[in-house]
Amino acid sequence: IAGITQAPTSQILAAGRRMTLRCTQDMRHNAMYWYRQDLGLGLRLIHYSNTAGTTGKGEVPDGYSVSRANTDDFPLTLASAVPSQTSVYFCASSEGAEAFFGQGTRLTVV
Amino acid sequence: LAKTTQPISMDSYEGQEVNITCSHNNIATNDYITWYQQFPSQGPRFIIQGYKTKVTNEVASLFIPADRKSSTLSLPRVSLSDTAVYYCLVGGLSGAGSYQLTFGKGTKLSVIP
Repeated sequence: IAGITQAPTSQILAAGRRMTLRCTQDMRHNAMYWYRQDLGLGLRLIHYSNTAGTTGKGEVPDGYSVSRANTDDFPLTLASAVPSQTSVYFCASSEGAEAFFGQGTRLTVV
Repeated sequence: LAKTTQPISMDSYEGQEVNITCSHNNIATNDYITWYQQFPSQGPRFIIQGYKTKVTNEVASLFIPADRKSSTLSLPRVSLSDTAVYYCLVGGLSGAGSYQLTFGKGTKLSVIP
């Protein structure tokens, strides 16, 4: 059982470039989330989706966009990356209060 | 969303019981209390959830007093492998049917040999 799969595992990206972080789940959960984690700041919610076809903004949505065309996939796009978006990004899904997280994508914007 | 306050860090020796308390003074009637564990370079992992009184599973116990303004995660006889960051979350179902998962900074537990 794969659970949540994120890709890539890590990436170095030039500032100004566009980047899509991929997230796929095989648990058929309705809710999915994207978080970023920076040292000393815990996890902060970027965007979420309660069900396929709907998305919502979290605590730190600026500079990011998401889509939810189907139940399984929830990609996160950085339209024009900036160095402050250097972080570890976690995707999660949940059915109820128990969320399942991916292994994360470590993104460095230079 | 109810805000949570928990200690930034704790140290414990192996074999001891560890209690991590979380304050959530403005918890709402329909909010549940959920704890997650995170190891370095990994995503958080669900530990336990409760609404009131006491909940126990194979990993931990969760104690919630009657006023629900705080909760205590209890880890029995910790080992070095329990060194991690522990997050307390408070939230309920949103109008659209998903849980609001808002993480604070967590408590960094260091288990000492």
